[in-house]
This record gives sequence, structure tokens and C-alpha cells, in this order.
Amino acid sequence: NAGVMQNPRHLVRRRGQEARLRCSPMKGHSHVYWYRQLPEEGLKFMVYLQKENIIDESGMPKERFSAEFPKEGPSILRIQQVVRGDSAAYFCASSGQGSDEQYFGPGTRLTVT
Amino acid sequence: QKEVEQDPGPLSVPEGAIVSLNCTYSNSAFQYFMWYRQYSRKGPELLMYTYSSGNKEDGRFTAQVDKSSKYISLFIRDSQPSDSATYLCAMSSGNTGKLIFGQGTTLQVKP
Repeated sequence: NAGVMQNPRHLVRRRGQEARLRCSPMKGHSHVYWYRQLPEEGLKFMVYLQKENIIDESGMPKERFSAEFPKEGPSILRIQQVVRGDSAAYFCASSGQGSDEQYFGPGTRLTVT
Repeated sequence: QKEVEQDPGPLSVPEGAIVSLNCTYSNSAFQYFMWYRQYSRKGPELLMYTYSSGNKEDGRFTAQVDKSSKYISLFIRDSQPSDSATYLCAMSSGNTGKLIFGQGTTLQVKP
């Protein structure tokens, strides 16, 4: 499968726990983006990363959220001490060098109980 | 005022109809325009990508950009029940990679 992969597809966490969402970009892509989709709302940009670099994190909440894209392995979106308001679909997208076309993964649906 | 405005619908049309979906935007820095299709509980699928004013055609889909009016459209010809989905417009200035999305329009094509 050469597409963007995300896991897990569904994640249930209790309030106060940590959530880790993983994203493997499309083969040959080196740019990764994370978006959040709340019920009845559109997609909202969170963060843009390249390998070992955060390029734009203007959409990330100031606390509890962090993202990384290490030299080896998938990109990780980490949410500490989750609250019910974090329940949403989190999508990862990737693009190739010099391209603005972003291709999305299937998403991770986070439910906080 | 939102940077990108899109009527959420829902829009219901009979099979075979021509569908017109639209977005307006306020930021003149936007240079790249995309349309995505999203089926329920799935990831967005890139349908069309344009970066200049005018029309771009791909099969039954035509994307139209009017930068002077800050208005973009997606036309679907000979619509099919399988086109029933939410259509999202997205745009960027090209400087940061960040896409700004419209709210999405829900389309239902009835057999």
C-alpha cells in the first residue's frame, strides 16, 4: 500500500491518559501535516513537519499537544492528559518535495471517555 | 469572517444532474486551490488541484478559479449516486504548506 498510513484507526482513552497517533507518509514524501476534524466542523490545520524539523505549528494548542517526525519511523502526534474536547478525527497528510498537493490518510478517531 | 466560506448544504440532486459546488475566500494571498471528496468516516481524497485562474477538467469534474472575485467552483457532470459525499474546498498561499479548508458541502445524488 503506497498511500498514507495511520494507526490506530480508532483509539479510546480515559480522561487524563495519553494518546499517541502515528502516521507514515506516502512513499517518497518527506512532508507531513496533521489536521483535526471536530464533529460538524471542517478540517483544521495543526502542524507541518519535515524530517526532524517542525516547520509550522501555528495550529497546535499551546499545551498538551506535541508532534515529531524523526529521522527514522513514523510521525507521531502526542496528546497528553486528554480531555473530552480532544475527541475528534485526526488526519495526517503528506506531500512530496516542492509540491503543494497533500494526500490524506484514513484518519484516527479518538474518543475520550 | 472565516477565511474560506462554503455552504454546508445538504445538496440533493437527481442522478445525471450537473452539480455546482462553490467556495469564496477573503485572503488574496491564496494561490493554490484544491477540491477533496470525503466519504463518511473516511479520509479526504484529492480530486482537483489548480494554481491559476481559469478552468481545469478531469473526466466528469471541472474546477474553476476566479481570483479577481475570490471564488472557486467544482462542477460534476452526469452525477452518480457514488458521488454522494462531502466535498471540501481547500487553499493555501504556498508559503507554509498549511491548507485552509471550507466547512464542506454534503451532496446526495438520488438514483
